Amino acid sequence: NAGVTQTPKFRVLKTGQSMTLLCAQDMNHEYMYWYRQDPGMGLRLIHYSVGEGTTAKGEVPDGYNVSRLKKQNFLLGLESAAPSQTSVYFCASSYALSRQYNYYGYTFGSGTRLTVV
Amino acid sequence: GNSVTQMEGPVTLSEEAFLTINCTYTATGYPSLFWYVQYPGEGLQLLLKATKADDKGSNKGFEATYRKETTSFHLEKGSVQVSDSAVYFCALRRFYSSYKLIFGSGTRLLVRP
Repeated sequence: NAGVTQTPKFRVLKTGQSMTLLCAQDMNHEYMYWYRQDPGMGLRLIHYSVGEGTTAKGEVPDGYNVSRLKKQNFLLGLESAAPSQTSVYFCASSYALSRQYNYYGYTFGSGTRLTVV
Repeated sequence: GNSVTQMEGPVTLSEEAFLTINCTYTATGYPSLFWYVQYPGEGLQLLLKATKADDKGSNKGFEATYRKETTSFHLEKGSVQVSDSAVYFCALRRFYSSYKLIFGSGTRLLVRP
């Protein structure tokens, strides 16, 4: 009963390097999300997906790309990392929007702490 | 637009003190409201929820009542413990027009022995 699993948990990148963060969920959730958390700014939505093969932009999508080739996985890519992308990244998932499931909210992963130097 | 406003922290209390963390929201329609808690080094966990006006969500001694007339969802606990030290996030989710949770900026609570 793993829930939402994020890998890696920590990473240090040099400016200009690329990397992919992996999020995997085993709850058969339709929706998945990537957030970043910065001090004093709460959580900001980067990208989200409402189903396999679909993605959409959130509040702060620039510099990131995502893919959802399988329902259980949601990948966040940084093509050319910048120091401004130093943050803690959280993945979350939820059931599709319906009256039955609306009140369950999200299930979050434990986060990936990324430092870009 | 839709938004959530929380009181700024940190909130520092002594053990067994009464806790209130204020949360107000702006939204059209009838959102569902949530409190999430984030313990150090961990992800967010759902603490409690309310889906309609006058509902009271409760869990682990925490309570919050959905007040539509004041657009508020304040978090309360009668006697805090050191283990309650964490960051608390208020959030809303609209039913018909959004897939997304909208979070407040979070309030850090520090409970001293």
